Amino acid sequence: NAGVMQNPRHLVRRRGQEARLRCSPMKGHSHVYWYRQLPEEGLKFMVYLQKENIIDESGMPKERFSAEFPKEGPSILRIQQVVRGDSAAYFCASSPSRTGVEGGYEQYFGPGTRLTVT
Amino acid sequence: AQSVAQPEDQVNVAEGNPLTVKCTYSVSGNPYLFWYVQYPNRGLQFLLKYITGDNLVKGSYGFEAEFNKSQTSFHLKKPSALVSDSALYFCAVRDMGDDKIIFGKGTRLHILP
Repeated sequence: NAGVMQNPRHLVRRRGQEARLRCSPMKGHSHVYWYRQLPEEGLKFMVYLQKENIIDESGMPKERFSAEFPKEGPSILRIQQVVRGDSAAYFCASSPSRTGVEGGYEQYFGPGTRLTVT
Repeated sequence: AQSVAQPEDQVNVAEGNPLTVKCTYSVSGNPYLFWYVQYPNRGLQFLLKYITGDNLVKGSYGFEAEFNKSQTSFHLKKPSALVSDSALYFCAVRDMGDDKIIFGKGTRLHILP
């Protein structure tokens, strides 16, 4: 059973370009979470999605950032008009069910995408 | 709102000695508590969790953690540290009625040979 997959592992963008980060959850998992990790800092929650639904986007910046999890295909985190402050590691995690209600399922993390904005 | 605190940025332990990485939490309801480990340039790996039941939870790589409700703590422990345990450790908490896991800022563990 393959784990959570993220690509690309490394992404370099110039200021003003768009960054697209992809995440394929573990087989059987229908819930996806995105986190951002700045150097020497912890993980900051960004967004929680199910297939075709955004459940909680309270951690997403109001502008330039968007996320989707279509019926088919991976979850996408899109950052438009990137700035140097967007440079960070972006992690995706998945879980098998609605973790807050049906039990204490842990999240499984992908290897991350390291975004560098030049 | 839920929160988690890891009061130590870094912990240094000699190889073979016991180690403790501290974590305290705050939730409005009953907590789910987790420990994850991150090695350089890698994603987070799950170590152990507390959901309910026995307050002492055993996890991967010989780690264990003790849930203390009165002190709202969930400290990570290992009886005998290995150099290979050197990594960044994250404590996380979720309120049973919520979907979001909140992570601490992490504690860097250095095991000295």
